[in-house]
Amino acid sequence: DQQVKQNSPSLSVQEGRISILNCDYTNSMFDYFLWYKKYPAEGPTFLISISSIKDKNEDGRFTVFLNKSAKHLSLHIVPSQPGDSAVYFCAARGNGGSQGNLIFGKGTKLSVKP
Amino acid sequence: KAGVTQTPRYLIKTRGQQVTLSCSPISGHRSVSWYQQTPGQGLQFLFEYFSETQRNKGNFPGRFSGRQFSNSRSEMNVSTLELGDSALYLCASSWDNYGYTFGSGTRLTVV
Repeated sequence: DQQVKQNSPSLSVQEGRISILNCDYTNSMFDYFLWYKKYPAEGPTFLISISSIKDKNEDGRFTVFLNKSAKHLSLHIVPSQPGDSAVYFCAARGNGGSQGNLIFGKGTKLSVKP
Repeated sequence: KAGVTQTPRYLIKTRGQQVTLSCSPISGHRSVSWYQQTPGQGLQFLFEYFSETQRNKGNFPGRFSGRQFSNSRSEMNVSTLELGDSALYLCASSWDNYGYTFGSGTRLTVV
């Protein structure tokens, strides 16, 4: 049973436009969420995170929104660039004793076309 | 500062053999977590070590084990390899359980 779901396996966006990647979760005990970018045969690279006490966090072109009541978060990339083409993973962290355990979605492959 | 270092980068083993993978965390990080990435299952949590103690364990068989040394370096071991163990094995280190930095991974192929 997937606790973190990324329902879109792929997304194609034109350069300069906004990319919106979505993530849903089922466990209300998750207290911290992260987005990673990954290229094949490399480790995930941290992009941005958000605590469950916030509803928005921005870092440059990247903004993450959290809707706790809907158990939904999204990553906005504005403007999108060809170098953003990669697989994006959403991850959730449990609290208390489960802090070291990140639960990942299966990823969304973003293609940004010039 | 140096990132998370995983060795070796690539490994080919035969079914039934065992394998040991190594992970050196970022200096000062005491938490090391291991993940398995396969095309079908995505990234799955194996276990986490903190100050030489296993703190969390994922849903993997007992053939998968790990340990952490006093310098925070960690190893994971897989015994009696199966074809399905072919995967990219990633480790992540953290100082505060908020920032998790991943290594480049070890690509294990079981033939």
